[in-house]
Amino acid sequence: KAGVTQTPRYLIKTRGQQVTLSCSPISGHRSVSWYQQTPGQGLQFLFEYFSETQRNKGNFPGRFSGRQFSNSRSEMNVSTLELGDSALYLCASSLLASGTDTQYFGPGTRLTVL
Amino acid sequence: AQKVTQAQTEISVVEKEDVTLDCVYETRDTTYYLFWYKQPPSGELVFLIRRNSFDEQNEISGRYSWNFQKSTSSFNFTITASQVVDSAVYFCALSDRGTNAGKSTFGDGTTLTVKP
Repeated sequence: KAGVTQTPRYLIKTRGQQVTLSCSPISGHRSVSWYQQTPGQGLQFLFEYFSETQRNKGNFPGRFSGRQFSNSRSEMNVSTLELGDSALYLCASSLLASGTDTQYFGPGTRLTVL
Repeated sequence: AQKVTQAQTEISVVEKEDVTLDCVYETRDTTYYLFWYKQPPSGELVFLIRRNSFDEQNEISGRYSWNFQKSTSSFNFTITASQVVDSAVYFCALSDRGTNAGKSTFGDGTTLTVKP
C-alpha cells in the first residue's frame, strides 16, 4: 500500500507570496492532519480534516487555511508569507478521526521563505 | 490540556549500548493513546508503537521495548544493543478522543546519536 505523499518536497518563496501544499493520504484513510515543524517550536498542529470538513484547528493565524477533497486529498494554503513560516510541513493520515487512530506521516514539504 | 515532556534533549551512546528515552505526559482524559515516532535525517516521521490508556502491558519487539506506567504518567522507550542506524530524533506523542480528534500533541523530541 502506498504511503502518504506530499508535493512538492521543497519550495522557496519570498515574503508576501502565497503557497499551496498538497497531501495524498494512504488509500482508504479519511482523516488528514497537518503539522508545522520548526527548530524553535517543534511539531505544532495546524488543522485536521475528515470527510471534507475541518474538525479541529490549532493556534495559527487565518493566513493558514486548508481543504479536503472528496477523494480525501488535502491541500493547505499559506497566504502573505512571512519569514517565520519557513518550516517543514508534515501531513498525516489516519483511517478514522476518533483521535484514537495511528497517524501515518508523509515525507513533508520543506518551505523556505526569503 | 495535553502536554508531553521529553526531558532528554540529546543522548549520545556507543554502538551496542542500551539506551532509554523518557516521556512524561499530562492529560485530563481517562482514555488516551500514546505513540513513539522516529524521525531520521530524511525528515519523515516513522510510527514505532501505540499504546492505549487501558493497556499497561509492556512489550518487547526485537531490540525495542516500552514501559508504560500510568501511576507516574510515563511512557519510556528502550533500544537494546543500539546501532548506528538508530540515530534519529525520537518523538513521544499523546492523543485522545473528542475535541482533540485528529490532533496529536508531541514532545520536543530526543536526538539520539549512536556512534560506531
